[in-house]
Amino acid sequence: EDQVTQSPEALRLQEGESSSLNCSYTVSGLRGLFWYRQDPGKGPEFLFTLYSAGEEKEKERLKATLTKKESFLHITAPKPEDSATYLCAVQAGSGGSYIPTFGRGTSLIVHP
Amino acid sequence: SQTIHQWPATLVQPVGSPLSLECTVEGTSNPNLYWYRQAAGRGLQLLFYSVGIGQISSEVPQNLSASRPQDRQFILSSKKLLLSDSGFYLCAWSVQSNYGYTFGSGTRLTVV
Repeated sequence: EDQVTQSPEALRLQEGESSSLNCSYTVSGLRGLFWYRQDPGKGPEFLFTLYSAGEEKEKERLKATLTKKESFLHITAPKPEDSATYLCAVQAGSGGSYIPTFGRGTSLIVHP
Repeated sequence: SQTIHQWPATLVQPVGSPLSLECTVEGTSNPNLYWYRQAAGRGLQLLFYSVGIGQISSEVPQNLSASRPQDRQFILSSKKLLLSDSGFYLCAWSVQSNYGYTFGSGTRLTVV
C-alpha cells in the first residue's frame, strides 16, 4: 500500500528563519510527487511537480527537492504570508488510474 | 486560461435531506475530474474521479454518488444525507493523470 508521511505536523517560524518540510513516501514506481499550498477555508493551490530523484524546482522563497525516499520543501527567509498548510501528494505507477496519495500536511505559521 | 467553479461555498443541511454540489471547468476539453473530501486531521480523501462523460469511478463505498452529464461538469449528490457526510468538499481537474491538480474553492457542508 502506498504511504505518504509529512513532518512535522505543525511548524512555527519567526520571519526570516529558514526551515524545511519533509514528505517521505513508500510507493511502487514513482510517477510524480506534488506539492500544494492550502490557505484556511480554501482549496489547495498547486506549487510543484517532481518526477525523478535529484530534481529540484523553485518558486520565490520555496524550493522543492526529491530523493528516492523523500522530498523536502525548503523555505528560505519566510514571510508571514507564507503561513499555510503545505500538502504533499505522491503518484505511483501501479493500478493504472494513477490517483495520487496525499499526506496529511504540515501547518506552517510564520510570525512577524 | 482554465478556471474551475464550485458552488455553493457553504451549505447547512438537515439529516435525511438530498444534496447536489456542482463543479464546472472552463478553458479546457476532456479534463480528468475529481471529488475529494477533507476532514480535519485526516487529509484529502478521494471520493470519485472521471476521465470522460458518463465515466465515474468510486474509491470508497459511501452515501454519495457522482455524475458527469457534460464534458466539463461534475456533480456530487446524495439522496439522504448523514451526519457523517459533514466536511469540506473539493472538486479538482487535471489535463492528464500525471499532472498536478487544480482545485476549486471548496464547499463546507454541515449536516445537522
